[in-house]
Amino acid sequence: KAGVTQTPRYLIKTRGQQVTLSCSPISGHRSVSWYQQTPGQGLQFLFEYFSETQRNKGNFPGRFSGRQFSNSRSEMNVSTLELGDSALYLCASSPRTGGEETQYFGPGTRLLVL
Amino acid sequence: GENVEQHPSTLSVQEGDSAVIKCTYSDSASNYFPWYKQELGKGPQLIIDIRSNVGEKKDQRIAVTLNKTAKHFSLHITETQPEDSAVYFCASSGYSSASKIIFGSGTRLSIRP
Repeated sequence: KAGVTQTPRYLIKTRGQQVTLSCSPISGHRSVSWYQQTPGQGLQFLFEYFSETQRNKGNFPGRFSGRQFSNSRSEMNVSTLELGDSALYLCASSPRTGGEETQYFGPGTRLLVL
Repeated sequence: GENVEQHPSTLSVQEGDSAVIKCTYSDSASNYFPWYKQELGKGPQLIIDIRSNVGEKKDQRIAVTLNKTAKHFSLHITETQPEDSAVYFCASSGYSSASKIIFGSGTRLSIRP
């Protein structure tokens, strides 16, 4: 089975721009979660989507948003980029939603904001 | 709020020796504890997990122990090999209707030849 795929793998943007990242979950997985990884804050939960609905949200500003399509693929959008948004954005999928579900991570999209 | 503390932040062991990484969690409702290994340029990979109804779980050279009373859980790697060099993250999540993992801050493990 193919793993979680994320596109693009690398991205350079300037402050004020917006960006859209894409995630394709493992086939059959219906839950997609997004995480931000930075050297200073570590791995932080952004949000989770299941059946095209946001199920949970972390402590991030409204500039961070996402959506999920009927085929379970998910996109994450960051508007009005700030320098501090530079990070590795990771997507994880699981078959179902729930705190005890094992999550499988993709390779991430590395975003650099200049 | 929910928090997972992980120690040590860096660990260097001689090849063939054992490595132990310890974590403490704050949310008593947590009942799922995965461990992830992250290599350079890659996303975290699940290496082992344990659920609250089990005190210990082993998979070849890797074992995890859980003490729910003390809210501690640990990763043990025996007979370490160069390919074990990576950053390891402990994590916890609780029974809920949504998926959300709280991660520790990570341990950079280096295996000395």
